[in-house]
Amino acid sequence: RKEVEQDPGPFNVPEGATVAFNCTYSNSASQSFFWYRQDCRKEPKLLMSVYSSGNEDGRFTAQLNRASQYISLLIRDSKLSDSATYLCVVIPPSGGYNKLIFGAGTRLAVHP
Amino acid sequence: NAGVTQTPKFQVLKTGQSMTLQCAQDMNHNSMYWYRQDPGMGLRLIYYSASEGTTDKGEVPNGYNVSRLNKREFSLRLESAAPSQTSVYFCASMPGGQPQHFGDGTRLSIL
Repeated sequence: RKEVEQDPGPFNVPEGATVAFNCTYSNSASQSFFWYRQDCRKEPKLLMSVYSSGNEDGRFTAQLNRASQYISLLIRDSKLSDSATYLCVVIPPSGGYNKLIFGAGTRLAVHP
Repeated sequence: NAGVTQTPKFQVLKTGQSMTLQCAQDMNHNSMYWYRQDPGMGLRLIYYSASEGTTDKGEVPNGYNVSRLNKREFSLRLESAAPSQTSVYFCASMPGGQPQHFGDGTRLSIL
């Protein structure tokens, strides 16, 4: 089993739709979690951290479910500019920030 | 991308050739990293440097060497390129306790 798994998609949604991605992780003792965004042929950029209590940033909501070992990203009112690949990132128990584990990403395509 | 600069952006090599990928950051970060990204896979750590003068292996170090020349610069060297090293390479730097900042990548093809 991969340490971090994501549905590769693509998720094709119309503008204005709500879409959610999940990411599962294998090590129950993992410490910290993030979502990164990567545009086509560009570098990954931090989208948001994922806190135990859940957190929201505008149209984006991230949640952590430790019991089921997954994190989620919800995007409301999708925009064309949200089209990108969303990478789930996990810090393992012994790794710290030097040992980030990246998922392969979920591709989102928002169409008019 | 603000702060992390990679050169070159594109390169084509023949099998067996050598080359060095350059990375520099101007954010005074201690930690720097080299990753490779292949289709269908997450970014995989090749080497990292927690501070000037130190380097450590990551998940996929075979076939690569690194040099932390000073606090700003962290280079990645392929001594004898192989087709399996065709990939997109990202350099990153990180302030203490914060997520990483990435350069905009080097697309490397080995024929």
